[in-house]
Order: sequence, then C-alpha cells, then structure tokens
Amino acid sequence: QSVLTQPPSASGTPGQRVTISCSGSSSNIGTNTVNWYQQLPGTAPKLLIQSDNRRPSGVPNRFSGSKSGTSASLAISGLQSEDEADYYCAAWDDSLNGWVFGGGTKLTVL
Amino acid sequence: QVQLVESGGGVVQPGRSLRVSCAASGFTFSSYGMHWVRQAPGKGLEWVAFISYDGSNKYYADSVKGRFTVSRDNSENTVYLQMNSLRAEDTAVYYCAKDQTVITGDLDYWGQGTLVTVSS
Repeated sequence: QSVLTQPPSASGTPGQRVTISCSGSSSNIGTNTVNWYQQLPGTAPKLLIQSDNRRPSGVPNRFSGSKSGTSASLAISGLQSEDEADYYCAAWDDSLNGWVFGGGTKLTVL
Repeated sequence: QVQLVESGGGVVQPGRSLRVSCAASGFTFSSYGMHWVRQAPGKGLEWVAFISYDGSNKYYADSVKGRFTVSRDNSENTVYLQMNSLRAEDTAVYYCAKDQTVITGDLDYWGQGTLVTVSS
C-alpha cells in the first residue's frame, strides 16, 4: 500500500464543495510540503497545488490546499463536471529518501 | 512551449533490459532536475527516479534501486531510464516529468508516457 493514504473515491454534485484527504507521517507530510496532481481520464497528470497551498498559474481558485500536522487536504469548491478525475497527493519522504505519492482518489461528479 | 516526448517502450521478457528516453524542448534543459514516474495499468502513480540538472545527484524508489539507472545528456536535451532485470510488476506507463526548479519535487510538465510491458 501507499505511504500516503487517500480515500479511493469521492463524489459530489455540481456546485458542491468536496474535500480529499491525504494522511502521512512525520517523515513526509509532517516535515515536507505537499503537492496535489490532477489526472483527467487518459491523460498525463497535471500539477494542481504545490507547496501545500499554492496554485500554479492557470489553476482556477476553486482548488485549494491545506495542511495540518501529518495530514493534508485538497478542497474543490463549485464542483464542475470537468473536475471528474483522479487526484494524487505527493511529498518527499525523509526516511525513504525519495518522493511518495498517495494511492489516488477518484472523484465522481454526480 | 515545453515538450517532453518519451520513447523506447515495448514488450520485453522478464529478466531482460530496456532503455526508455525522454526528449525535452522548449526550456533550458540543463538547468532543471528531471523525474521518472510510472503508472501500472489501472493503478496509481509511483515515483521512480530523479536526476539533478547536472547529473550529480540521483534518487531512486526502493522498488527499482539497484536495477534501474537514470542518466541525462544535456547536449542532446534527453533523459534516460535504463531498466535491467525487469519484472512483471514493472509493467507500466513511464512518464518523464520536469522539476519546477533544480529540485523541489514540483513536477510542472509531464510527457505523454511510454508503455513498458514485461511479459514472456
């Protein structure tokens, strides 16, 4: 299983706010920043949130990130059908001396 | 515009070797770290390897350490992943990705991936 733990699925209706959690440990999220990636069906991943809560240029402000202790969260407000995708958290792990991804969360827009 | 184009994937028998490549353009390749990330069919993302801008620092996932080697040719704007002693569990789409700076782990551009299938 993955070093970072995410729920396998999440869902919401258009316009709703949904959050996706990412749980880690003191060797990764607890001491290093978290990134979030969005992977639309059949495409390569895209950097969505970096350094816990910064949005790269072009990412809508409907997407936000936060972190507390050894857990991080991705929030999507004003949910849209095009947000249906897989979402992954990632962080550097001091013990493994490498980067680790969460197992991914499949977001369904009902 | 930044482009990353992977190549070299294919079907290979267990225990054999394969080298995949990633040709970069649209940015000063020699100034950025590069990563390899893989995704097994129907599964999540797994970080595989990193090489610093000048090739002096390399990091590997435990699952490939000792079997895979990352390298780069800054004169050719290309990063490579040499994969030896391949196993069935190495079957995946292999993506190369650009680090946003020297080494942050912020993968801001990704290629389209190349599929490696390990099967007899």
